[in-house]
Amino acid sequence: ENALTQSPGILSLSPGERATLSCRASHSVSSDYLAWYQQKPGQAPRLLISGASNRATGIPDRFSASGSGTDFTLTISRLEAEDFAVYYCQHYTSSAPRTITFGQGTRLEIK
Amino acid sequence: QGQLQESGPGLVKPSETLFLTCTVSGGSVRGHYWTWIRQPPGQGLEWIGFINDSGGTHYNPSLQSRALISVDKSKNQFSLRLSSVVTADTGRYYCARLNYYGPLYYMDVWGKGTTVTVSS
Repeated sequence: ENALTQSPGILSLSPGERATLSCRASHSVSSDYLAWYQQKPGQAPRLLISGASNRATGIPDRFSASGSGTDFTLTISRLEAEDFAVYYCQHYTSSAPRTITFGQGTRLEIK
Repeated sequence: QGQLQESGPGLVKPSETLFLTCTVSGGSVRGHYWTWIRQPPGQGLEWIGFINDSGGTHYNPSLQSRALISVDKSKNQFSLRLSSVVTADTGRYYCARLNYYGPLYYMDVWGKGTTVTVSS
């Protein structure tokens, strides 16, 4: 089983600052199957990034992501008030047994 | 892009079976992969399982013995059956589309979720 570990657990920043969130896999994974989601309180998760670096429809360009192998990063260039939320990375395993794994999440809070 | 709506009982007794339905609107349940995810109160996301466009199913190993996902094409719905529930099954349950584009796989359409409480 491939575990995803996100860090930090909580990130306290101010609007306008840059946020860097990390997702580390216990074994090398394909970038094609790595996604990032944003979840605000009381809401369902929302897809931000697919294929490790492709922004989903309607996602502002202040969101970017990169990575390969075991290390992946989500960056928010200039934080806006609406960006404070919980972020999850997620991986899909295409080989048997097919599984979906989530990281434990990073809570981005206003400092 | 379509919308998803979960439905089911908000309260289930321990040892009973939970049955949830996800209705797909603005699109067809055919030709897509569909998945269930849950979130215990105050915790992170846990994948339960998914069903592919051929009816094949894949489950979280920790839930495989109790979970069953199926599709009803006539109703444009898919469902989750979770047997022998315990209090740890309490949480928010989400249905989502597991989409694929070329080599990419991602969950791009989500229901709003439904809260399930397991209690006697």
